[in-house]
Amino acid sequence: KAGVTQTPRYLIKTRGQQVTLSCSPISGHRSVSWYQQTPGQGLQFLFEYFSETQRNKGNFPGRFSGRQFSNSRSEMNVSTLELGDSALYLCASSLVSDPWDSIGYTFGSGTRLTVV
Amino acid sequence: GESVGLHLPTLSVQEGDNSIINCAYSNSASDYFIWYKQESGKGPQFIIDIRSNMDKRQGQRVTVLLNKTVKHLSLQIAATQPGDSAVYFCAETPGVGKSTFGDGTTLTVKP
Repeated sequence: KAGVTQTPRYLIKTRGQQVTLSCSPISGHRSVSWYQQTPGQGLQFLFEYFSETQRNKGNFPGRFSGRQFSNSRSEMNVSTLELGDSALYLCASSLVSDPWDSIGYTFGSGTRLTVV
Repeated sequence: GESVGLHLPTLSVQEGDNSIINCAYSNSASDYFIWYKQESGKGPQFIIDIRSNMDKRQGQRVTVLLNKTVKHLSLQIAATQPGDSAVYFCAETPGVGKSTFGDGTTLTVKP
């Protein structure tokens, strides 16, 4: 079956612009999480959505936002881009609805965002 | 705050040897842990998980050990192969959808 699909794979933006990244989860998966990966900070949790509701949020400024649609596809938006936002943005999906179920998250290959 | 750390940033082993990758976590309330493998250009790939009510869990060629007393987690890979070369992350999952990742250990398998 198809995996988690993230688009675009690569993106170059100018400081001050905004960007929208897309994630299509595995069919049937309703939980979608977003992570930022940088060499200096590693993998940092951004937020998680389930059934169009944000259930968890990491410690990122309000410039980072997301949403989930009724078909479970998710988007994340970063406004007023800064050089430090350059990173690999990863999306992961899972069937899980109960926190105590086995959490088998499947990650996409990510979107590499470069801010110049 | 929460933090999950790995003892060594790099590990180099000979093909066929066993590998042990370690991880220390700080949140004593952590209930669920996952090991991921990340190859270049790809997202992290789920390897194995373990809950706090277990000390050991085995998969295919991999074993995870959990020592809650010292808040330590390890991943053992048996008969390491070149295809095992990657960055390995441990992650603590305090809540659904939210994982705190360690810094990663780069495993290099020498032929």
